[in-house]
Amino acid sequence: DAGVTQSPTHLIKTRGQQVTLRCSPISGHKSVSWYQQVLGQGPQFIFQYYEKEERGRGNFPDRFSARQFPNYSSELNVNALLLGDSALYLCASSLILLRSGELFFGEGSRLTVL
Amino acid sequence: AQRVTQPEKLLSVFKGAPVELKCNYSYSGSPELFWYVQYSRQRLQLLLRHISRESIKGFTADLNKGETSFHLKKPFAQEEDSAMYYCALSGVTQGGSEKLVFGKGTKLTVNP
Repeated sequence: DAGVTQSPTHLIKTRGQQVTLRCSPISGHKSVSWYQQVLGQGPQFIFQYYEKEERGRGNFPDRFSARQFPNYSSELNVNALLLGDSALYLCASSLILLRSGELFFGEGSRLTVL
Repeated sequence: AQRVTQPEKLLSVFKGAPVELKCNYSYSGSPELFWYVQYSRQRLQLLLRHISRESIKGFTADLNKGETSFHLKKPFAQEEDSAMYYCALSGVTQGGSEKLVFGKGTKLTVNP
């Protein structure tokens, strides 16, 4: 099992542009979460999806959106990029929705906004 | 408010010495706490969780509700323990899902 896979691994955008990040969970995992990790900080919760529905949202502006597909893969979209959006975006999958405890993380997509 | 505080950004010890990584939390309900670890060039992974009361790679952590702490301890540090350690708290969102609230992390270096 390859684990959680994310693409792209690195990307550079300019302010105002839009970006789409992709995530494939571990086979059998129905829950996907997204986290933003700014340099020097711990990961911060953005979204959780379960069975294709948004089940949780962190304190992020509406420029951030996501969706989950029937095969449980997920996309994170960020519109109107700001310099402060530069971060490592982590996707994590888990078997169940509530109090699962263990999240399996991908290696992340490193976004640089110039 | 749900908050996790790791007061030490950097921690350096010698091989064979005891190590303790501090974690304090703020949570109004019954907390579930975890330690995640990220070794160099590897992905973030779960090290241990308080509910299972297990010892992983010689590390243990005890939840102290009175002091709202969940410190990670190992009696004899090894060079391969060098990594970034994150303490995390499990909270429930309004939608009924689970989110992890992470501390800022402590970088542990074990010197030979």
